[in-house]
Amino acid sequence: QKEVEQDPGPLSVPEGAIVSLNCTYSNSAFQYFMWYRQYSRKGPELLMYTYSSGNKEDGRFTAQVDKSSKYISLFIRDSQPSDSATYLCAISDSGYALNFGKGTSLLVTP
Amino acid sequence: DSGVTQTPKHLITATGQRVTLRCSPRSGDLSVYWYQQSLDQGLQFLIQYYNGEERAKGNILERFSAQQFPDLHSELNLSSLELGDSALYFCASSVVTGPDAFFGQGTRLTVV
Repeated sequence: QKEVEQDPGPLSVPEGAIVSLNCTYSNSAFQYFMWYRQYSRKGPELLMYTYSSGNKEDGRFTAQVDKSSKYISLFIRDSQPSDSATYLCAISDSGYALNFGKGTSLLVTP
Repeated sequence: DSGVTQTPKHLITATGQRVTLRCSPRSGDLSVYWYQQSLDQGLQFLIQYYNGEERAKGNILERFSAQQFPDLHSELNLSSLELGDSALYFCASSVVTGPDAFFGQGTRLTVV
């Protein structure tokens, strides 16, 4: 079993919808949780970074961590066509190496 | 622009050859990470350097090696290349050792 599982999608939503992206993980030692956005042919861009369970909000983005269920989520409110990208969750125990999910491809249609 | 610079952007080479990928981290960042991204495996951590010293090693093949120089730039050397080494290679950097790393634009390696 891969340490981080993420549904690859693709996920297609209309503009303005609320998007929910999720990852599950198997190692309870993981304590750093990140979400990256990757546009086609570009490097991953850090969106959100959380250390503990709970919610963290940044503009239209909310990251949620449930350590008891080993489940993390990223919510995007009022989605825009410019949000169309691949979203990667990344999790770490040590802070050194990131364990990435394979990414969920999101398409927001006007 | 993350501030992390990778060269070259594209590289096409033949099997059995050796290539060197270069990374300049963001100004002030001491940690450099190398990742490989392929369609089937996703992003895989290869190796990390911190201020010139190897700090952590992931799924890096013995044919691959890296180093970080006194000016903090890093090079990833790939030798005896195989078709399966074709992938995007990303460098990332962070201030110290931390998970909030910033990625470069990658080097797309094609082995023919």
